[in-house]
Amino acid sequence: AAGVIQSPRHLIKEKRETATLKCYPIPRHDTVYWYQQGPGQDPQFLISFYEKMQSDKGSIPDRFSAQQFSDYHSELNMSSLELGDSALYFCASSLGPNMNTEAFFGQGTRLTVV
Amino acid sequence: AQSVAQPEDQVNVAEGNPLTVKCTYSVSGNPYLFWYVQYPNRGLQFLLKYITGDNLVKGSYGFEAEFNKSQTSFHLKKPSALVSDSALYFCAVRDRGDGGSQGNLIFGKGTKLSVKP
Repeated sequence: AAGVIQSPRHLIKEKRETATLKCYPIPRHDTVYWYQQGPGQDPQFLISFYEKMQSDKGSIPDRFSAQQFSDYHSELNMSSLELGDSALYFCASSLGPNMNTEAFFGQGTRLTVV
Repeated sequence: AQSVAQPEDQVNVAEGNPLTVKCTYSVSGNPYLFWYVQYPNRGLQFLLKYITGDNLVKGSYGFEAEFNKSQTSFHLKKPSALVSDSALYFCAVRDRGDGGSQGNLIFGKGTKLSVKP
């Protein structure tokens, strides 16, 4: 079965550079979530979209922005990167705005800022 | 605010023995609870969920979880552990978004399960 696809899998950037992470949800899934997981930490919610509109916002820095496109894929844009942005970034998708649906996660993008 | 707590950073079990990974929750309204497993350098894999109905929920890979409303717990269990079960386990609760619609998942700190041969 098709899963959530994230690209790239690994990314190395220098401080103050920009990065764009992409997420392709499971087909027919209309909701996308972005999470950040630091080393040894639990995933922290950044932002989510439902039907191409932002549905919820968590601890996403102002330097980051995201959007969901007409084909439901999503991109997380990160600017003025800092060393502390080094983390594993997960995208998850689910179907419909229901509380009881599980979210399916991608493999993640490991971002290293040097 | 919704939250979950995993009181144990690590659980060690011998292969073949039963395992329990603990989770307690704090929610307003009905709880929507989930368990995910994370293998090294991998994404989170959905194991099971509790929405309503039977308190014992069966999930993937032989795992099950028991919902206990009076103790506000949702412990993950497996009757016989395998070495391949060694991984990081996260309990999660669905937050309530604006207007009561679907919100994001709030995760516990995770419990590292180590199963020794």
